[in-house]
Amino acid sequence: DAGVTQSPTHLIKTRGQQVTLRCSPKSGHDTVSWYQQALGQGPQFIFQYYEEEERQRGNFPDRFSGHQFPNYSSELNVNALLLGDSALYLCASSLGPQVEREQYFGPGTRLTVT
Amino acid sequence: GQQVMQIPQYQHVQEGEDFTTYCNSSTTLSNIQWYKQRPGGHPVFLIQLVKSGEVKKQKRLTFQFGEAKKNSSLHITATQTTDVGTYFCAPYSGTYKYIFGTGTRLKVLA
Repeated sequence: DAGVTQSPTHLIKTRGQQVTLRCSPKSGHDTVSWYQQALGQGPQFIFQYYEEEERQRGNFPDRFSGHQFPNYSSELNVNALLLGDSALYLCASSLGPQVEREQYFGPGTRLTVT
Repeated sequence: GQQVMQIPQYQHVQEGEDFTTYCNSSTTLSNIQWYKQRPGGHPVFLIQLVKSGEVKKQKRLTFQFGEAKKNSSLHITATQTTDVGTYFCAPYSGTYKYIFGTGTRLKVLA
């Protein structure tokens, strides 16, 4: 039973570029949340997808967008990259629409913006 | 907005000593989750607390939810080197969102 997988593992981009990160949830999970974790900080909630809809969003600008596909996998897109976007991007999956659910995190994508 | 503070920020203990981290919220919580993140790793779910005054144990780990549901704690008895990592509380903030605390980084000296 595969856990949450994310790709790529590492990524280096230049300021102003665009990036797409991918996440496959744990088998059977239908809810995907994305988090940004800066070095030495706790994960910050970006948004959550359920049934291909964004149902909650954290305090992130519109440069951050996402998508969930019918197979429940998800993408996080970041446009016009800033140096401050350098962070570990974590995807977490859970089962069902209820919020009192254990979240399973993927290994993350380390994004470096130069 | 909701503020979540964890204390202490760092804790160094000798192996075998006990460890406690506290999570304090400015608002009443419906539930709270705890996660552990090893150095270079990703958060791993430990427990969820829902009821006022709830206490749950996992081997050497004891989790508690305050009576007023505004604070929570994680206590580790007789720490081991495998306990090294950062412990995060993540209270539910409403509308499908969990807010992670600032974390307590635990270092265990052998």
